[in-house]
Amino acid sequence: AQKITQTQPGMFVQEKEAVTLDCTYDTSDQSYGLFWYKQPSSGEMIFLIYQGSYDEQNATEGRYSLNFQKARKSANLVISASQLGDSAMYFCAMKTNRDDKIIFGKGTRLHILP
Amino acid sequence: DVKVTQSSRYLVKRTGEKVFLECVQDMDHENMFWYRQDPGLGLRLIYFSYDVKMKEKGDIPEGYSVSREKKERFSLILESASTNQTSMYLCASNGGMRGVQPQHFGDGTRLSIL
Repeated sequence: AQKITQTQPGMFVQEKEAVTLDCTYDTSDQSYGLFWYKQPSSGEMIFLIYQGSYDEQNATEGRYSLNFQKARKSANLVISASQLGDSAMYFCAMKTNRDDKIIFGKGTRLHILP
Repeated sequence: DVKVTQSSRYLVKRTGEKVFLECVQDMDHENMFWYRQDPGLGLRLIYFSYDVKMKEKGDIPEGYSVSREKKERFSLILESASTNQTSMYLCASNGGMRGVQPQHFGDGTRLSIL
């Protein structure tokens, strides 16, 4: 069965520190993609970063990077130099090529403290 | 930029009413999705559609139906609303079957059933 696990329901981090949000996944497919989304309190889901299962390099997008460890089936999101505006819910998600459904984890609520 | 528009940000209805949630996307995407989001449960897929007039059940289709008469529009219908359908509803879309493309989300509809 395909599954996404986010073990941290909530995190508190001091502003300007780096943050790592954990995500592990389970799939028997060889070809898949991993995503991270941010959901601020206003409710919209914002796509942050994508990692393909065959990508050799870790994905980076500005202050976001994805620490992809394929053998461990983990895809942790790293936010460098956190800002107050990073306070939000963060979802890890996975899609395989067998269909167009995306599976989401239950999310981690990140609080950035001034 | 992809734009996914949900017709209402907030909606209050009464038990037993028929409720329509509308979603429109402007990027000619084949796939459209309806999720509901509840605290502690993350995002759960209700229905999705991969083409006009085509629909597939997600993980929690009971009590819902959908309609996709035009490619850009995907409607979620609560045939007879009940209080346990009070939730945040999110619509999303992405391109076709090949490859892994992120889903683009609307701003969400917070639906309360009284």
